[in-house]
Amino acid sequence: AQSVTQPDIHITVSEGASLELRCNYSYGATPYLFWYVQSPGQGLQLLLKYFSGDTLVQGIKGFEAEFKRSQSSFNLRKPSVHWSDAAEYFCAVAPRSNDYKLSFGAGTTVTVRA
Amino acid sequence: DGGITQSPKYLFRKEGQNVTLSCEQNLNHDAMYWYRQDPGQGLRLIYYSQIVNDFQKGDIAEGYSVSREKKESFPLTVTSAQKNPTAFYLCASMALPGAPSSYNEQFFGPGTRLTVL
Repeated sequence: AQSVTQPDIHITVSEGASLELRCNYSYGATPYLFWYVQSPGQGLQLLLKYFSGDTLVQGIKGFEAEFKRSQSSFNLRKPSVHWSDAAEYFCAVAPRSNDYKLSFGAGTTVTVRA
Repeated sequence: DGGITQSPKYLFRKEGQNVTLSCEQNLNHDAMYWYRQDPGQGLRLIYYSQIVNDFQKGDIAEGYSVSREKKESFPLTVTSAQKNPTAFYLCASMALPGAPSSYNEQFFGPGTRLTVL
């Protein structure tokens, strides 16, 4: 069955420290891959996406993600976290078909401590 | 400004009542989506539509209904048949790709929080 897994429910990180959020997927073929961020009570904002080509993708707000085909992973990273990065982060995938639907992981909540 | 609006932001409903959540977009997107968000479960697809007067069920359509009479509007009705409707509801839209086997970004509205009393 197709699935998206975010193994970490909650991560706490100190301001200025690095952050890595994990995402694994199970699909027959490499899907389109996305990371979204959601502030409390708000909608989702796209951080970055991977369709093809360079496996290291740069996004907004200083985030990057690396696609690893051998591990079926698309982990999100930020070298130095700011207090404003406290939010919930969702990995999402879309199959390479024409149904144009996204499947989301359960999300990882990031807390930033001073 | 182009974007997606959802109203109301907060909605309270008594058990046994139907309620309709509004979603409007001025991005000229063909596709629109409704998601339900519960703590710890991510977003689950309720219904989606790729063209006016046509829509498809998502993963959790039971107890919900939609219509797509206009390109810019995709209202969601939560019926009394929905057993546990208290949740955060998100609407999204997307421009359909011009090329096959391609994909565009889904844009999200600010959400409506529905509480059943």
